[in-house]
Amino acid sequence: DAGVIQSPRHEVTEMGQEVTLRCKPISGHDYLFWYRQTMMRGLELLIYFNNNVPIDDSGMPEDRFSAKMPNASFSTLKIQPSEPRDSAVYFCASSPLGRETQYFGPGTRLLVL
Amino acid sequence: AQSVAQPEDQVNVAEGNPLTVKCTYSVSGNPYLFWYVQYPNRGLQFLLKYITGDNLVKGSYGFEAEFNKSQTSFHLKKPSALVSDSALYFCAVRDMTGFKTIFGAGTRLFVKA
Repeated sequence: DAGVIQSPRHEVTEMGQEVTLRCKPISGHDYLFWYRQTMMRGLELLIYFNNNVPIDDSGMPEDRFSAKMPNASFSTLKIQPSEPRDSAVYFCASSPLGRETQYFGPGTRLLVL
Repeated sequence: AQSVAQPEDQVNVAEGNPLTVKCTYSVSGNPYLFWYVQYPNRGLQFLLKYITGDNLVKGSYGFEAEFNKSQTSFHLKKPSALVSDSALYFCAVRDMTGFKTIFGAGTRLFVKA
């Protein structure tokens, strides 16, 4: 298996623009997680899905952030409109059971100017 | 609420010497405990986990961790450090009833040749 795939790997955009981050989890994994990593706040869980259904989105910072999982092999995290404080590395992870090991993608490094 | 603390921002050790990276946790009930490692510009990689059983857990790359329930600690150890072990290490905790994993702030390990 290729592991968790994220695209793009790097994104530079201007404040106010819409940003869409993409994730393909490992086939057969039931859980998908979106994290954000910054120097100031560390690694934060934004939202996670079980069988394509959002379970806990309490970590989503505000209404500008939204996440979807239309099928078992694809998820998106959208920021609209983007702001400079959204600059971070965004990781997607998947897990076969949800209670144990998570497998992380390589991350998307987002810079909002 | 569950939490995890990594009291050291950075640990420095000479190659060949033993290393310890500290972690303490707080969770209601019995915890699931994890260590992950992050190399530059990469996603987190699973090292080891404690679910139940023997308090000494062995993981990847010669790492091990000791679960101490009375001290609520889960320190990461390695008998002989390598320069290639230099990376960012994260301790994480999940309670048995939930699916949300809380990560520590991370400890940067520098192994000097």
